[in-house]
Amino acid sequence: DAGVIQSPRHEVTEMGQEVTLRCKPISGHNSLFWYRQTMMRGLELLIYFNNNVPIDDSGMPEDRFSAKMPNASFSTLKIQPSEPRDSAVYFCASSRWDRYEQYFGPGTRLTVT
Amino acid sequence: TQLLEQSPQFLSIQEGENLTVYCNSSSVFSSLQWYRQEPGEGPVLLVTVVTGGEVKKLKRLTFQFGDARKDSSLHITAAQPGDTGLYLCAGVSQGAQKLVFGQGTRLTINP
Repeated sequence: DAGVIQSPRHEVTEMGQEVTLRCKPISGHNSLFWYRQTMMRGLELLIYFNNNVPIDDSGMPEDRFSAKMPNASFSTLKIQPSEPRDSAVYFCASSRWDRYEQYFGPGTRLTVT
Repeated sequence: TQLLEQSPQFLSIQEGENLTVYCNSSSVFSSLQWYRQEPGEGPVLLVTVVTGGEVKKLKRLTFQFGDARKDSSLHITAAQPGDTGLYLCAGVSQGAQKLVFGQGTRLTINP
């Protein structure tokens, strides 16, 4: 079975540009989580969805960040406009709604110059 | 805000040695998980512990959940270079779904 799929794996962009990160969760999983990982702050939850509905977005740092889940097999995390401090590895994870175990994708390494 | 503190943050030992990593909190968790992350990859789940005092073994790795469900430990026996990686503990609160992660222990096993 395919795991969580993320694209792109690497993204380099200039400050002020829009960035869109994509995620395909594991089939049958109905919870999806977006995380950001940096050396300084570790792994932080940004937002999570249950059955395509955003449940908790308290970790979204600013209005420049937005996330959508238009269907059960696709989610996006958008940063507009991007800033150098947004540079990090962004992970998507999915789980079954009745299980705590989360399965992570390989991540997108974002560099904003 | 619930916090999980891991110690040590960095550990470098020789192959064949034993080690223990700790994960502590002042909060009670309904379950606690341990993940391992290798460079360029996402965290991979190793184990979930649910019951206070629970001990689980995964080959040379032994995981324990504290009696009060506020802390956990990971013990590795006869460490091997393949054990190198970032070890993360993550807790789930009662009635919640999201995980709270510790900052991680970066483990290096030298041949």
